[in-house]
Amino acid sequence: AQSVSQHNHHVILSEAASLELGCNYSYGGTVNLFWYVQYPGQHLQLLLKYFSGDPLVKGIKGFEAEFIKSKFSFNLRKPSVQWSDTAEYFCAVNGPGGGNKLTFGTGTQLKVEL
Amino acid sequence: GAGVSQSPSNKVTEKGKDVELRCDPISGHTALYWYRQSLGQGLEFLIYFQGNSAPDKSGLPSDRFSAERTGGSVSTLTIQRTQQEDSAVYLCASSSGDTQYFGPGTRLTVL
Repeated sequence: AQSVSQHNHHVILSEAASLELGCNYSYGGTVNLFWYVQYPGQHLQLLLKYFSGDPLVKGIKGFEAEFIKSKFSFNLRKPSVQWSDTAEYFCAVNGPGGGNKLTFGTGTQLKVEL
Repeated sequence: GAGVSQSPSNKVTEKGKDVELRCDPISGHTALYWYRQSLGQGLEFLIYFQGNSAPDKSGLPSDRFSAERTGGSVSTLTIQRTQQEDSAVYLCASSSGDTQYFGPGTRLTVL
């Protein structure tokens, strides 16, 4: 079965610091990769996605992620975080191994301090 | 446009009671998913409906859980004889392609 690992469970950064959240998945075939964000008190929102093509994808609010097939990784990055980026971030994958259903990582709670 | 809506937003029930959770997907979306978000378990897939095909029930944790989707639109997730471990936020998502859009969830508390 597909599995997704997020290595950082809690991250605390100061404003303007750079962010990188790790995500690794287990299935070696063709997959679709997603990052979702859940702001406090809000529902899950799509941040960005990768289906094919350019492995560097850009999402909303200045976030980007890089798909590295050889490392089964899809790490999320942002050059300079803001207080408003405080949220929980989830990496997810779907694909032939699991069909259309999403398999999520355990999430990373990001706190950005002023 | 309107997103995925779920009702109720909160539900408190006693152990052993049955509960029904409702999901209204985005209009025109053919696929509908239920997930559960709980402490210690993260986000788990429960069940998936795609058009008129038989649902993928592979994520349902026990036979106390069932779901139906009427007319290819609204879905109801039913939990019979609720247990304390069923306490979680139940999320619904819909899609017309590869991207799923999530509702706000129903927070279920089983006392």
